[in-house]
Amino acid sequence: DARVTQTPRHKVTEMGQEVTMRCQPILGHNTVFWYRQTMMQGLELLAYFRNRAPLDDSGMPKDRFSAEMPDATLATLKIQPSEPRDSAVYFCASGLVSDGKLAVDYNEQFFGPGTRLTVL
Amino acid sequence: KQEVTQIPAALSVPEGENLVLNCSFTDSAIYNLQWFRQDPGKGLTSLLLIQSSQREQTSGRLNASLDKSSGRSTLYIAASQPGDSATYLCAVRPDSWGKFQFGAGTQVVVTP
Repeated sequence: DARVTQTPRHKVTEMGQEVTMRCQPILGHNTVFWYRQTMMQGLELLAYFRNRAPLDDSGMPKDRFSAEMPDATLATLKIQPSEPRDSAVYFCASGLVSDGKLAVDYNEQFFGPGTRLTVL
Repeated sequence: KQEVTQIPAALSVPEGENLVLNCSFTDSAIYNLQWFRQDPGKGLTSLLLIQSSQREQTSGRLNASLDKSSGRSTLYIAASQPGDSATYLCAVRPDSWGKFQFGAGTQVVVTP
């Protein structure tokens, strides 16, 4: 049963501390997305990767957030230093996008369970 | 800029009634539209994906329609059950690169 996994599931930290969230996409998927969900803003796209390369991270505060894919099985989202306004649920999703023009694109995104972050 | 709206924000129905959830978008140039379900404290579960060339998709009790020209999609859930209680989100994608734009969701409560 293939699924996206995220760790940790819950994180409570103090303002100023570094936070690292990890995501393991579904094996074989070539696209990874990071989302943030808050009550006020709803679900926002922070960054997404295709074939491990960052395609768009315009939704991410660059001064404190960074996203990487060290390898095809691991995506990380780091906040340094963290602030109370970063408190949210962070979701990772993976998908498979075909490179071929004539191939069928399988564009569904599969979401992980999320990391609930609380910054005090 | 694409805007996705879901109305109503919340909906309560008795068990057995059919559910009708609406999603509207301002830019009809979409690549596809996806309906998700979110349970409290959990991630998103994909329900149905409709490509821009399709008019509808069906899965069990779920049916989603797409009218690009009017910028609307509707999710129908037949014979609702208490287990259908969740928040339902729709998301549109402008191209194949995967940048979704989400609606705020409709919170559904199905009472026994």
